[in-house]
Amino acid sequence: SAVISQKPSRDICQRGTSLTIQCQVDSQVTMMFWYRQQPGQSLTLIATANQGSEATYESGFVIDKFPISRPNLTFSTLTVSNMSPEDSSIYLCSVELAASYEQYFGPGTRLTVT
Amino acid sequence: AQSVTQLDSQVPVFEEAPVELRCNYSSSVSVYLFWYVQYPNQGLQLLLKYLSGSTLVKSINGFEAEFNKSQTSFHLRKPSVHISDTAEYFCAVSPNTGGFKTIFGAGTRLFVKA
Repeated sequence: SAVISQKPSRDICQRGTSLTIQCQVDSQVTMMFWYRQQPGQSLTLIATANQGSEATYESGFVIDKFPISRPNLTFSTLTVSNMSPEDSSIYLCSVELAASYEQYFGPGTRLTVT
Repeated sequence: AQSVTQLDSQVPVFEEAPVELRCNYSSSVSVYLFWYVQYPNQGLQLLLKYLSGSTLVKSINGFEAEFNKSQTSFHLRKPSVHISDTAEYFCAVSPNTGGFKTIFGAGTRLFVKA
């Protein structure tokens, strides 16, 4: 299994500012994922972050808005840039352990943009 | 491409009653199937998974799900629910052909009443 922590757990931000969310894993993993979960809805994959390469973004998400860093095998950050109220959501990071075919999720970061 | 349909957005049930949460999927390739649970204000946790072998899989807390290939379903059942089972339940599929990408259903909110 894997234990994942996220910082901050929640934040209230003003329109036009940026927030960087940190994700720390207690073991080395190749693949990390960032999801958005809007209130009452399912998870939407933002991007896949592999160490040593640029993140792969899903349709509807762009690097300028959601830059991702993956400096090593246990850590990643997601920045939500130039925020608007529509970015209010829960942001989750997850990892897949090799050959397990299952994902482990962090507790999430609840973002409110005013 | 894969898709997941959870047929019920909310399921209210009395404590100690049986429950079934329905999940159907579509895919042009073989898939792995998962149920995740999200308790209030927490991240997602894997409840159970089907990779291969026996089509009936069970969790440690009394839930079970059966893979039905002909009906492309993976319904989740529990014969007697507890108040503590109140949570959001997500069905998910992942292609077993490599190129990992998990698709999540919209979720079913199980509300157990005393």
